[in-house]
Amino acid sequence: DTQMTQSPSSLSASIGDRVTITCRASQSVSTYLNWYQQKPGKAPKILIYAASSLHSGVPSRFSGSGSGTEFTLTISSLLPGDFATYYCEQSYSTPPTFGQGTKVEVK
Amino acid sequence: EVQLVQSGAEVKKPGESLKISCQGSGYSFTNYWIGWVRQMPGKGLEWMAIIHPGDSEIRYSPSFQGHVTISADKSISTAYLQWSSLRASDTAMYYCARHGGSYDDHWGQGTLVTVSS
Repeated sequence: DTQMTQSPSSLSASIGDRVTITCRASQSVSTYLNWYQQKPGKAPKILIYAASSLHSGVPSRFSGSGSGTEFTLTISSLLPGDFATYYCEQSYSTPPTFGQGTKVEVK
Repeated sequence: EVQLVQSGAEVKKPGESLKISCQGSGYSFTNYWIGWVRQMPGKGLEWMAIIHPGDSEIRYSPSFQGHVTISADKSISTAYLQWSSLRASDTAMYYCARHGGSYDDHWGQGTLVTVSS
């Protein structure tokens, strides 16, 4: 299985901050890399697919980049509703695998 | 509107069997893969299995193959995940998700399974 490693595992940030989360794959996943947001007690929601494509309805303050083995999710200006856990997922090979998650908390 | 509605929470004893469900609506059920994802308490997401209701093609994660069975009944637009013998370590939230292309674009609300003696 392809191992996905996110960093950091958690971070503290303030409203308006720029936040960057990194995801590294143990082998190339091309651009088959997705980002999900999960709030407590809720199902995950897709934010970014194919490394950099914004899913319909997702605010433009979210962006993704990268290819191969290194990817980033950036939130340009943090809003209150963005405090959540973020997961990357590779869908290049079966089984798809998720990173361990990055919890974005209030500073 | 695409919706995936899952069956309710379950409390079971070790060794018991269980089948949970996920009913899709608002789209052509047979045109999309649908899968299951496990989230153990306080932990991350784990991909378990996926099925294409149109032709019943199935893929399992090696981590779950042999312990769970995925199935679907396209006549009622419903996917299932079942266990023949539950373990305490199966205690988790289980999500179904529609696979739209290379990612999961719609998710069910989750089914909490608690296995305890």
